[in-house]
Amino acid sequence: AQSVTQLDSQVPVFEEAPVELRCNYSSSVSVYLFWYVQYPNQGLQLLLKYLSGSTLVESINGFEAEFNKSQTSFHLRKPSVHISDTAEYFCAVSPMFSGGYNKLIFGAGTRLAVHP
Amino acid sequence: NAGVTQTPKFRVLKTGQSMTLLCAQDMNHEYMYWYRQDPGMGLRLIHYSVGEGTTAKGEVPDGYNVSRLKKQNFLLGLESAAPSQTSVYFCASSYTGAGLETQYFGPGTRLLVL
Repeated sequence: AQSVTQLDSQVPVFEEAPVELRCNYSSSVSVYLFWYVQYPNQGLQLLLKYLSGSTLVESINGFEAEFNKSQTSFHLRKPSVHISDTAEYFCAVSPMFSGGYNKLIFGAGTRLAVHP
Repeated sequence: NAGVTQTPKFRVLKTGQSMTLLCAQDMNHEYMYWYRQDPGMGLRLIHYSVGEGTTAKGEVPDGYNVSRLKKQNFLLGLESAAPSQTSVYFCASSYTGAGLETQYFGPGTRLLVL
């Protein structure tokens, strides 16, 4: 079985400050790792995902996440946030061999609030 | 290319009423999913479909039924709504069922059961 823990339910931050959203997971099998973002009144959309190779993955809008296998973590970072980054961020894992469908297990979400 | 669309956007039901939520995708995806989102709990899978004419139970299927009569549509039904079904419902789709796939989500349906 898999589980995902997002350590902060809310993260307030000022514009242009750095931010880190923390995610830890537990799994008895190998998994792929994802961050999805949900902007206000919208559905979720993929921000970035780790499949293999370099443990640092980047998104097109300046976010990055680092896979740490020993600590079973996949924290999301951005060196300088914008007002438009205000959203809820979901960490998720998917078993590499899910047995027939794309099984996504989500964390509870972290609400990022960027203030001017 | 609309992606994943959901109908309706909002609905208020009384306990015991029934309703159907419609999900449509125009990406020719084989796999479709219904989730519910509750505060502090992330998204939980209700039912999923691996292709036209197939459905399967997810993590929280009780009180819901689904149908996939056409590849592009996935319907979620509540036969007798209960207040515990007050939630935001999201539909998603993916091209394959592989673990590395990206899921594409609709904008959600907010349901209030009184």
